[in-house]
Amino acid sequence: NAGVTQTPKFQVLKTGQSMTLQCAQDMNHNSMYWYRQDPGMGLRLIYYSASEGTTDKGEVPNGYNVSRLNKREFSLRLESAAPSQTSVYFCASSEYGTAFSNQPQHFGDGTRLSIL
Amino acid sequence: ELKVEQNPLFLSMQEGKNYTIYCNYSTTSDRLYWYRQDPGKSLESLFVLLSNGAVKQEGRLMASLDTKARLSTLHITAAVHDLSATYFCTAALYSGAGSYQLTFGKGTKLSVIP
Repeated sequence: NAGVTQTPKFQVLKTGQSMTLQCAQDMNHNSMYWYRQDPGMGLRLIYYSASEGTTDKGEVPNGYNVSRLNKREFSLRLESAAPSQTSVYFCASSEYGTAFSNQPQHFGDGTRLSIL
Repeated sequence: ELKVEQNPLFLSMQEGKNYTIYCNYSTTSDRLYWYRQDPGKSLESLFVLLSNGAVKQEGRLMASLDTKARLSTLHITAAVHDLSATYFCTAALYSGAGSYQLTFGKGTKLSVIP
């Protein structure tokens, strides 16, 4: 089972460049999430999509945009990368509805992004 | 705003010893998750705690939830080297439309030494 797949796994950008991080899940989950992980900070939510067709801001949305392309895919875009966006980015997914709370979020392997 | 605090942030313990990691959260949240992360890896779900008094055990790890005290604990019994990892406590807040936002603690980096 693939679960949550993120691409690329590593990327180095120059300040001002743009790029899109891709995420796809094969568990038929409705909700998808993007987090960033910085040393000593735990994970912080950037954006989430409760269901196909909806997206909402999380704790740290500035400098990012997202697109829920379909039920499987949720992408994160950096329009003009800044060194402060150097981080490890994780995509996650979970089920929808009241029964969802019994299940944890499932995480991808992460994208390690460095911005010079 | 939901805040989650873990203690301690760093823990070095000898094999065979017992210890407890504490997780306090600031506002009402009756869904608490524990995750494990190995260096350079993704997050693995350990426990989902849904109600006051919930206790779950898996091997040498036991997690509990006290919603009145806004406290969850992760107890480690007779630690072994394989338990070395970073453990995250995560509290959930309902954000509408059937979705929950997770707020993570900063993590407890556990090192088990011979």
